[in-house]
Amino acid sequence: DTGVSQNPRHKITKRGQNVTFRCDPISEHNRLYWYRQTLGQGPEFLTYFQNEAQLEKSRLLSDRFSAERPKGSFSTLEIQRTEQGDSAMYLCASSHGSYNEQFFGPGTRLTVL
Amino acid sequence: GQQVMQIPQYQHVQEGEDFTTYCNSSTTLSNIQWYKQRPGGHPVFLIQLVKSGEVKKQKRLTFQFGEAKKNSSLHITATQTTDVGTYFCAGVDSGTYKYIFGTGTRLKVLA
Repeated sequence: DTGVSQNPRHKITKRGQNVTFRCDPISEHNRLYWYRQTLGQGPEFLTYFQNEAQLEKSRLLSDRFSAERPKGSFSTLEIQRTEQGDSAMYLCASSHGSYNEQFFGPGTRLTVL
Repeated sequence: GQQVMQIPQYQHVQEGEDFTTYCNSSTTLSNIQWYKQRPGGHPVFLIQLVKSGEVKKQKRLTFQFGEAKKNSSLHITATQTTDVGTYFCAGVDSGTYKYIFGTGTRLKVLA
């Protein structure tokens, strides 16, 4: 399968716990994006990478959130000390080059109890 | 802050009727992309517009980018039940180079 994959697909956690999500982009894509989407809303930009460099972070991304793309391939998004307001769908997308078509993964649905 | 609003928020149409969603940005956009998200699914790319005043067609879908590059529209002719979903515009802000997704228009098509 050559699409974008995300793991896990669902995560239920208790408030205060740390969670980590993984995104595997399409192999030749140098750009990788993370978004958060809540019910009835459009995806909200969180951060993006060009290869292994993190080029932009949204102000939505508090210091509890961190993302990495260590070898310019897969990426991880970690949320520390989760809060109920973090409950959302976390979407990853990749693209080849700047501002081209983004291919989205199926997302990781996070529920914080 | 930067905002991209879409109207209407919801639209119910009878199968065969036309549908239009409008996308309006508070800032100038370098480009505009349109995505479709089916219920329970993820956004899927439809098209990208780059030039001021550009119009593109894909079968029953017509996309337009405004002259000032601050608005866009998607028009579907003779809707079908397979058109059901939420349509999002997404633009790259020409000042910050960040992607901003619109609020989306949810389309329901009644057979």
